[in-house]
Amino acid sequence: GNSVTQMEGPVTLSEEAFLTINCTYTATGYPSLFWYVQYPGEGLQLLLKATKADDKGSNKGFEATYRKETTSFHLEKGSVQVSDSAVYFCAPRNTDKLIFGTGTRLQVFP
Amino acid sequence: DAGVIQSPRHEVTEMGQEVTLRCKPISGHNSLFWYRQTMMRGLELLIYFNNNVPIDDSGMPEDRFSAKMPNASFSTLKIQPSEPRDSAVYFCASSLEWGAGEAFFGQGTRLTVV
Repeated sequence: GNSVTQMEGPVTLSEEAFLTINCTYTATGYPSLFWYVQYPGEGLQLLLKATKADDKGSNKGFEATYRKETTSFHLEKGSVQVSDSAVYFCAPRNTDKLIFGTGTRLQVFP
Repeated sequence: DAGVIQSPRHEVTEMGQEVTLRCKPISGHNSLFWYRQTMMRGLELLIYFNNNVPIDDSGMPEDRFSAKMPNASFSTLKIQPSEPRDSAVYFCASSLEWGAGEAFFGQGTRLTVV
C-alpha cells in the first residue's frame, strides 16, 4: 500500500523566511499527490495537488512539484506569514485508501 | 453545499457509555472516510466506504468500534463501550472520485471519555 514520510516538526520560522517541508512517498503506479493543511481547531483542507510527473501544484504562495524519479513532493513557500502557522500533511493517492503522513507543524513568529 | 457535516462537535461521556458520532457527506460524493487524530498516533484511517459499502475496516482498533452507512447521505461511527483511551478528535471526509480525488473534511468531533 501507499506510505509517506514527512520531515519531523515543529518547523519554526520568522515571518518572511523561506519554507521547505520535505515529503517522500511509496506507491504503486502513478498516484496523485496532495498537500493538506490543518489550522487549529479545524479539519484538514486541500492546499494543492499534482496529478502527474513534473506537474507543479500551487496555491496561496505555496508550491510543490511532482518528482517521480525521487518519489518526492516537497512543499515550498518563498515568504511565510504568521497566518501560515498550521499543520501540513502530505498524501499520495492512487487507490481507494487515503493515507496521510504524520504531519509537520509550522510555527511562524513575527 | 455546506460541506461535510459532523455532529456533535464536542462529546464528553463516562467510561462504559455508548457514543455515536454522525457524518453527512457532501451530496454526490461516493466515498466516505472515518479518521481518528491524536497527538501520539497522528491521523489514523479507521474505515472507508464506497457507494455505502464498507471497503476496508482494518484500521478499526477493536470490536468496540463499528461504523455504518445506511444511505448515501449519512454515516455513523459507534463506540460501545467507550474507554478513556478513545479520547481523540474523529474526522469524517468524503470524496467524489474513486482512487484519485481530493477529500473534503468535516470539522471533527472532539470526544472525551472520562
